[in-house]
Amino acid sequence: KNEVEQSPQNLTAQEGEFITINCSYSVGISALHWLQQHPGGGIVSLFMLSSGKKKHGRLIATINIQEKHSSLHITASHPRDSAVYICAVPNFGNEKLTFGTGTRLTIIP
Amino acid sequence: NAGVTQTPKFRILKIGQSMTLQCAQDMNHNYMYWYRQDPGMGLKLIYYSVGAGITDKGEVPNGYNVSRSTTEDFPLRLELAAPSQTSVYFCASSPGRQGPLHFGNGTRLTVT
Repeated sequence: KNEVEQSPQNLTAQEGEFITINCSYSVGISALHWLQQHPGGGIVSLFMLSSGKKKHGRLIATINIQEKHSSLHITASHPRDSAVYICAVPNFGNEKLTFGTGTRLTIIP
Repeated sequence: NAGVTQTPKFRILKIGQSMTLQCAQDMNHNYMYWYRQDPGMGLKLIYYSVGAGITDKGEVPNGYNVSRSTTEDFPLRLELAAPSQTSVYFCASSPGRQGPLHFGNGTRLTVT
């Protein structure tokens, strides 16, 4: 089973700061998911990436397959970015994902 | 676009009761999943399905059953509810093994 570690567990920052959330995993993968869970509980898929970098608005996700590490960056953070960010990786050869416990991000105005 | 629809949003059950959590998707996705989320824990896979008529166990299947008679619907059945099943349940779908996940809004279940 793939083990997933996210850091930090909690992060509080001022509006406008550059945010970095990290995800490390133990077994080589084909793709990694970044998810956002709103304070109300809903979960939205942000990115699925297998190499390099993806950008969507102020969110950037990077992955280093050799180092088994991914980062999620938020530029010009805003209070509406406050949420729990979760990474998930597949277990080798099957449809099951292992989820990290999430990073709770709070952006203060 | 409805996406993934879960019902109910909230439910309180007494120990020993049973219920079915409904999940429907309108994106013609083959892959569907049921997860539970406990406080401070990552999502845990209960059951999944890769197509109509095909289901398989995830990490925590005990106390649950599923069926997949159509591509659209993937209900989760709780028999003999126990306090340990108090959790938030999420249904999700995906177009394929490596596809992006689409989640329902969740069902908050309390068993007392």
